[in-house]
Amino acid sequence: QSVLTQPPSASGTPGQRVTISCSGSSSNIGSNTVNWYQQLPGTAPKLLIYSNNQRPSGVPDRFSGSKSGTSASLAISGLQSEDEADYYCAAWDDSLNGLYVFGTGTKVTVL
Amino acid sequence: QVQLQQWGAGLLKPSETLSLTCAVYGGSFSGYYWSWIRQPPGKGLEWIGEINHSGSTNYNPSLKSRVTISVDTSKNQFSLKLSSVTAADTAVYYCARVSPPLVPAAVHYYYYYMDVWGKGTTVTVSS
Repeated sequence: QSVLTQPPSASGTPGQRVTISCSGSSSNIGSNTVNWYQQLPGTAPKLLIYSNNQRPSGVPDRFSGSKSGTSASLAISGLQSEDEADYYCAAWDDSLNGLYVFGTGTKVTVL
Repeated sequence: QVQLQQWGAGLLKPSETLSLTCAVYGGSFSGYYWSWIRQPPGKGLEWIGEINHSGSTNYNPSLKSRVTISVDTSKNQFSLKLSSVTAADTAVYYCARVSPPLVPAAVHYYYYYMDVWGKGTTVTVSS
């Protein structure tokens, strides 16, 4: 049911910069802010970025978010081994009576 | 620091009703909306719905006919019921706090995000 499209995988070596894209539509990303969640193996998702580009307390500044039109992206600079996880974008969708939609998810592998 | 503790039956038979509860510790309950999200094995996240302290709810249209989310403000708890379960409802179910708090509806849905999550409950539907 995901209406936000992400690449299934991304990878990089330690220290590299990795970027993950998230494509939506006018009813979700085009109308509302984008959030990103990090899910380490076997754990609950964790809020990584909110309101397009804001980091919660404790999230390293290696993580940054941006939004343009109906697309958004997450960048991880200075990739570290502990960044190996699944990443999901999300936004409220104004279609029908409204619902919160997640992206398809991207598995980041540190080579 | 806010913590969410969730519990409920982990093994159900087809056609039974899934029932989970999430308790909120260490923070304000009435100022926020509270939500349920699920994740089938090896798949992505799906928003189930939300509720606030006064019982106002919003459900995913794809599940609306089978879902009931309720709140018990005396215990700072909220609950999920999903009726007529099938194998397709097998998933890890998470409860979460929705932010930002105490804002008009338009602002709530514009900025909508989950900033505190429970650890998840694995629910398996099998005959």
